[in-house]
Amino acid sequence: TQLLEQSPQFLSIQEGENLTVYCNSSSVFSSLQWYRQEPGEGPVLLVTVVTGGEVKKLKRLTFQFGDARKDSSLHITAAQPGDTGLYLCAGENDYKLSFGAGTTVTVRA
Amino acid sequence: DAGITQSPRYKITETGRQVTLMCHQTWSHSYMFWYRQDLGHGLRLIYYSAAADITDKGEVPDGYVVSRSKTENFPLTLESATRSQTSVYFCASRRSTNEQFFGPGTRLTVL
Repeated sequence: TQLLEQSPQFLSIQEGENLTVYCNSSSVFSSLQWYRQEPGEGPVLLVTVVTGGEVKKLKRLTFQFGDARKDSSLHITAAQPGDTGLYLCAGENDYKLSFGAGTTVTVRA
Repeated sequence: DAGITQSPRYKITETGRQVTLMCHQTWSHSYMFWYRQDLGHGLRLIYYSAAADITDKGEVPDGYVVSRSKTENFPLTLESATRSQTSVYFCASRRSTNEQFFGPGTRLTVL
């Protein structure tokens, strides 16, 4: 059973459109991390959110951590083909990460 | 070069054989982790280690063995490989700021 549920599983959009990926759980986490993974490579950390209600921006990417520290969202504004990849959310407790199944994002030129 | 490396990158083996996947990090991070990645499951934690000679089970430890005699190395052994262990295996180490750095992965096929 997945501790973290990500939705949608797949997302295909046109360049310039916006997208949102959701990460939900019934568990509380000390932090929530978002990773991006390219084919044939390991995941790379995008951001860590720690405080309930926290919002972090990384250029065109906006990350939110829910008030109860159980859920998070990733919003990409004006997506570009370079944003294509597998996006993974992960909740951390006791130094260990629990990952969602991932969202495969494809941005068409 | 500093970083985290895994070897081999690709491995094909047969059911019942013993296989060891190697992981090496140059940062002297205390925590290291082994994950497997399968379609539809994301990454699942197999084993982790808080320091040399300290290891503990993760979510899916059955059929795997780990050791950590040195801080920089964290090998994962499949004692008797099964087809269900066909997967991509990732090793990671954790910085004190809680970021995990992942290796490039080992793609293992068990025939």
